[in-house]
Amino acid sequence: GNSVTQMEGPVTLSEEAFLTINCTYTATGYPSLFWYVQYPGEGLQLLLKATKADDKGSNKGFEATYRKETTSFHLEKGSVQVSDSAVYFCALGGSNYQLIWGAGTKLIIKP
Amino acid sequence: GAGVSQTPSNKVTEKGKYVELRCDPISGHTALYWYRQSLGQGPEFLIYFQGTGAADDSGLPNDRFFAVRPEGSVSTLKIQRTERGDSAVYLCASSSSGSHTEAFFGQGTRLTVV
Repeated sequence: GNSVTQMEGPVTLSEEAFLTINCTYTATGYPSLFWYVQYPGEGLQLLLKATKADDKGSNKGFEATYRKETTSFHLEKGSVQVSDSAVYFCALGGSNYQLIWGAGTKLIIKP
Repeated sequence: GAGVSQTPSNKVTEKGKYVELRCDPISGHTALYWYRQSLGQGPEFLIYFQGTGAADDSGLPNDRFFAVRPEGSVSTLKIQRTERGDSAVYLCASSSSGSHTEAFFGQGTRLTVV
């Protein structure tokens, strides 16, 4: 069945560091892929998405490229800020419009 | 409303009791989803409504769980004979078209069964 695996957290970085959060998936067909973010005390928000192979999603300085050959959708940002501290979830679009989620990666950015 | 609203934000109940969790979706959104999130895990799909009908309830774990959406807007997730393993954050999301990409999430209801 479909599944998502993402790197365990917490990930702790200093401000302005480069960020990578790994995400790999198992799926039949070619599902859409997503990154969601949950800031402290808030609900889940869509951060970016990609709907087909080689698509790059981007938002707020974050990027992720849909790599079919490696079944990956790694999240990257060139220079993180304290305000990026949150929990990040990788997800794929399953059948009947449901989302299948990774376990989440907590990101802590220190000033 | 401005966003998806879930009430209560926290609920503590005794084992064996019945609970109802409410979701007010964004006005006009026809699709509504319930997910359950246990500590340290990603959300787990429970049920998907399109309008008033449950289009997919394959994620409901057993017959103690039931959800309704009688008028196609507000939805209630009902849990009978609660068990300690039901403790989790229950998330609701809505979208205008049933597309994953347009789903907006509420802040969730944290259910604790003692």
